[in-house]
Amino acid sequence: NAGVTQTPKFRVLKTGQSMTLLCAQDMNHEYMYWYRQDPGMGLRLIHYSVGEGTTAKGEVPDGYNVSRLKKQNFLLGLESAAPSQTSVYFCASSYKESGGANTGELFFGEGSRLTVL
Amino acid sequence: GQNIDQPTEMTATEGAIVQINCTYQTSGFNGLFWYQQHAGEAPTFLSYNVLDGLEEKGRFSSFLSRSKGYSYLLLKELQMKDSASYLCAPMDSNYQLIWGAGTKLIIKP
Repeated sequence: NAGVTQTPKFRVLKTGQSMTLLCAQDMNHEYMYWYRQDPGMGLRLIHYSVGEGTTAKGEVPDGYNVSRLKKQNFLLGLESAAPSQTSVYFCASSYKESGGANTGELFFGEGSRLTVL
Repeated sequence: GQNIDQPTEMTATEGAIVQINCTYQTSGFNGLFWYQQHAGEAPTFLSYNVLDGLEEKGRFSSFLSRSKGYSYLLLKELQMKDSASYLCAPMDSNYQLIWGAGTKLIIKP
């Protein structure tokens, strides 16, 4: 099992460029998340998905878009990158309990380090 | 609002015991998680408390008091590999984790 895989691991962009981060999980998890982590701050939720074809906004969604066309994949797009989006991005996934609730035990990818110049 | 408070940094000696405290305020509560994050790596799950009391897992234990909005992570017999950040994350009424900034634990020989 690969678990949660993120690509690319590193990327440097110029202001205004666009890019997509790909997250893939092979654990058949319902929930998937995109977080960003900046020095001195907790993980901040960008967008999340509770199942194939559904997405929802998190705490800091502006400037990002997501899609979950397949259960195993969750894509994060930056339409017009800004220096404020320089960060480490983590994708995570988790189980859904039989009652429908999130178990809360998140499995993280290795992270994608994005620099916007 | 939702708020997590934990110390920014702690230092301890190899072989000793350290307690990392966390206080929280959330909209609803569905348990509290502790994660470990080594520098440059992703967080990994350590423990989960949903009821008051102590949960023990090897060298690590986690305590929860829901009425006080308080939890701690206790690490015994510290090893150099325990040098990492420890993230406190309560789960709110929407089953979303609310993350603290983490406590950086430095272990000295």
